Order: sequence, then structure tokens, then C-alpha cells
Amino acid sequence: GAVVSQHPSRVICKSGTSVKIECRSLDFQATTMFWYRQFPKQSLMLMATSNEGSKATYEQGVEKDKFLINHASLTLSTLTVTSAHPEDSSFYICSARVSGSNEKLFFGSGTQLSVL
Amino acid sequence: AQTVTQSQPEMSVQEAETVTLSCTYDTSESDYYLFWYKQPPSRQMILVIRQEAYKQQNATENRFSVNFQKAAKSFSLKISDSQLGDAAMYFCAYRRRVEYGNKLVFGAGTILRVKS
Repeated sequence: GAVVSQHPSRVICKSGTSVKIECRSLDFQATTMFWYRQFPKQSLMLMATSNEGSKATYEQGVEKDKFLINHASLTLSTLTVTSAHPEDSSFYICSARVSGSNEKLFFGSGTQLSVL
Repeated sequence: AQTVTQSQPEMSVQEAETVTLSCTYDTSESDYYLFWYKQPPSRQMILVIRQEAYKQQNATENRFSVNFQKAAKSFSLKISDSQLGDAAMYFCAYRRRVEYGNKLVFGAGTILRVKS
């Protein structure tokens, strides 16, 4: 199956710093990528939908200035957590939809963010 | 808005036995997809099975099968001959079919424990 690479898998940062998470589709083009947040033993909550070359669409309650999303190419989307605080500590997962397909969706392996 | 409900926070099954995980959903749409995803301790999301709403026939993938009741808006997952590797968190998910880039809506998840 198609591969979505998410990097880093784990990051620890100090409060107030910014962290960038990358999501790459390795063997397909992805017009649309999704960013989710997951707390322990809970469901995935969609944060935003990013479309290549346009602004991301954020879900209600998600601060767009806090969670900056850039989808500059058909194979790369990035999520930057700005001025991170301990409450931002969470597991972040991306998924990518194969361009031209309304069915094929693949997930990255996730990033565990810990803010001290 | 569409919602997905998984009423079983945890389930246990004996190895080699059969277990059924429940899922109900609410939508006013007639054309959509339903999914079961597995999230093992590695936290990688793995697609288990997919059902298109316009298909009456229940989807099957080896030991995994679904009971799709469209009128009742029910979509349960049956795992036959359970194996230790089936232990994971299982998420039921819904997605509209009619437009590109549409998002997955996840249920709260069911933790499945497999006893040897």
C-alpha cells in the first residue's frame, strides 16, 4: 500500500518554543491532507484539512494561529505548533488522500509531542 | 452533522473465539462510506474493512466481516478466530462520498483485549 511518512515520531520541547511536524506522501500525490490530534485512549479529533496551494480549513475550536498548516506541494504538508504549552502535548496524526481518488486515504505513523 | 457512536469502551475475547464490536451512526446523507480502523500499540492506523453505503452486500476481509444495517444505521464488526495480534483499539468511521477532500468522522473507539 501507499506510504505516508510522518516526522518526527517523537519530540520533546520547552514551553514557548515552536515545533514543526512533517507529513510526506512517498509514492503518491496528495491533493488533500488531514491533521488529527489524539489524547491517550481517546478518538482522533480532526484539527484541519489542508489542500495543496490553498489555505487550510480548520475545525471549530482549533486556533489557526496556534497550529500553522502549510501544504506547499502535492507530497508535503507541515503542522507547526507555535509557542507550545504543556496542554499542547498530544499525539498528532496526519493522513493523505490520493489525488484523483475519493476512496484511498493513508495515515502517517504519528508524532508524540511532549511540552515541558 | 454526522456522528458515530461506539457504545463499548472495552471488549474481551478468548483466543480463537468470535467477537462483535458495535457501531451506530447518524447522517441524513444516502451516499457514504463506513470504515473500521485498527490502532495497535504502535498507534499506526490500519484500515480493517470498508463498506460503501449503496452496496447491500456486507463487506468481508478474511476473518473480519461487517453487519451493515442501513435503515438502522448500524455497522458492526465481527472478528472470527480471534488472534493475539487482533488486540488493539478499533475505531468505526464515517465519510461522505459525494465530494473530494471530505473528512473522516471517528467514533470514540473500543479497546479489544484478546486472552490466551
